Amino acid sequence: GNSVTQMEGPVTLSEEAFLTINCTYTATGYPSLFWYVQYPGEGLQLLLKATKADDKGSNKGFEATYRKETTSFHLEKGSVQVSDSAVYFCALSDTYNFNKFYFGSGTKLNVKP
Amino acid sequence: DTAVSQTPKYLVTQMGNDKSIKCEQNLGHDTMYWYKQDSKKFLKIMFSYNNKELIINETVPNRFSPKSPDKAHLNLHINSLELGDSAVYFCASSPGLAGEVPYNEQFFGPGTRLTVL
Repeated sequence: GNSVTQMEGPVTLSEEAFLTINCTYTATGYPSLFWYVQYPGEGLQLLLKATKADDKGSNKGFEATYRKETTSFHLEKGSVQVSDSAVYFCALSDTYNFNKFYFGSGTKLNVKP
Repeated sequence: DTAVSQTPKYLVTQMGNDKSIKCEQNLGHDTMYWYKQDSKKFLKIMFSYNNKELIINETVPNRFSPKSPDKAHLNLHINSLELGDSAVYFCASSPGLAGEVPYNEQFFGPGTRLTVL
């Protein structure tokens, strides 16, 4: 079956530090991969996505590359800001039923000034 | 001009009661979803409707009944509420098919925090 595994948080960084949040997945076929972000008290927002192997998704300084050989989609940012503090979710959509999403358990990021 | 809206934002009720949560999207999307987020932030899909037709129905107690009166609305009714139903419930929508290309980016509502006492 499909599943997504993320590193456990919380992750605490100082402003301008480098961020990596690990995400690996199990899926049949060729799923699309996503990162969503949830700010306190809000719903999830799409951060970036990649639909095929070796694609790189990027947005607001965040990047993630779809690595089929390692079944990974790690999120990175070169220099985090306090405003990046949020919970980050890795997700995939089923190859054969693209409406069906599987989310990781979320990683909370705290960025200190 | 909220894209996906849910009401109420907070719902506190007693065990055994019946309650409903409403969701509306003004994005013109074909597909809508209900998700449950537990206290550990784990997010799990419950139901999905495409153009008022049920397309995803996960292993959810039959006390939960979704209803889609039109493609812009998806409501969730819960009978005989239990303590374990306490969670944040998120509604979401996605465009569906753009031509023959699936376009499944999901747009989430702000969530409804349900507390069962």
